Amino acid sequence: DVKVTQSSRYLVKRTGEKVFLECVQDMDHENMFWYRQDPGLGLRLIYFSYDVKMKEKGDIPEGYSVSREKKERFSLILESASTNQTSMYLCASSLGTSGAFLIYNEQFFGPGTRLTVL
Amino acid sequence: AQKVTQAQTEISVVEKEDVTLDCVYETRDTTYYLFWYKQPPSGELVFLIRRNSFDEQNEISGRYSWNFQKSTSSFNFTITASQVVDSAVYFCALSAVNSGNTPLVFGKGTRLSVIA
Repeated sequence: DVKVTQSSRYLVKRTGEKVFLECVQDMDHENMFWYRQDPGLGLRLIYFSYDVKMKEKGDIPEGYSVSREKKERFSLILESASTNQTSMYLCASSLGTSGAFLIYNEQFFGPGTRLTVL
Repeated sequence: AQKVTQAQTEISVVEKEDVTLDCVYETRDTTYYLFWYKQPPSGELVFLIRRNSFDEQNEISGRYSWNFQKSTSSFNFTITASQVVDSAVYFCALSAVNSGNTPLVFGKGTRLSVIA
């Protein structure tokens, strides 16, 4: 079974802090994704990565950066957390490097990190 | 641009009732894939099904069935004889070659509550 784990289920940070959200997958997937989920807005893609050291902006990258130094690990960084970044953050992974695989293969999700910025 | 609309924000049914979750999509691509995911209270989205745009056959898996109609751009999900364990948020999603910044576009989700 694919397993995607996220470093924390709940996190509370203060405005202006630098925040790291970590995601690890154990199935050698090429693609990894970070979403945020907000009530009434569904899931919105922040960034994704289709290979080590590669990253692509999603729909809402502002205020975030990412790092993928190893294939199994994809980190989301909030350089200076703000209250409007309070949200549920979901990490996902999927198999395949080509564009065809990127749209065909299902994504496997972690349990999410509920981040509160005070 | 790709878009997925789940018009039903919340649905509440009594156990053993049948329930249909609606999904309408928009895309100009001829090759695309449609997905349904389930998000139980634990928070982790679980993949349920994928259909490609060239296969309009309906699919049944136990109490779950899916109706894909290209003519109406819909991919509806029916749960027969609902159970309390079906309570979750259900997301419909679309992926296509020209998805722009987002390989997978999600609808806003439908929260289903099944009452015993």
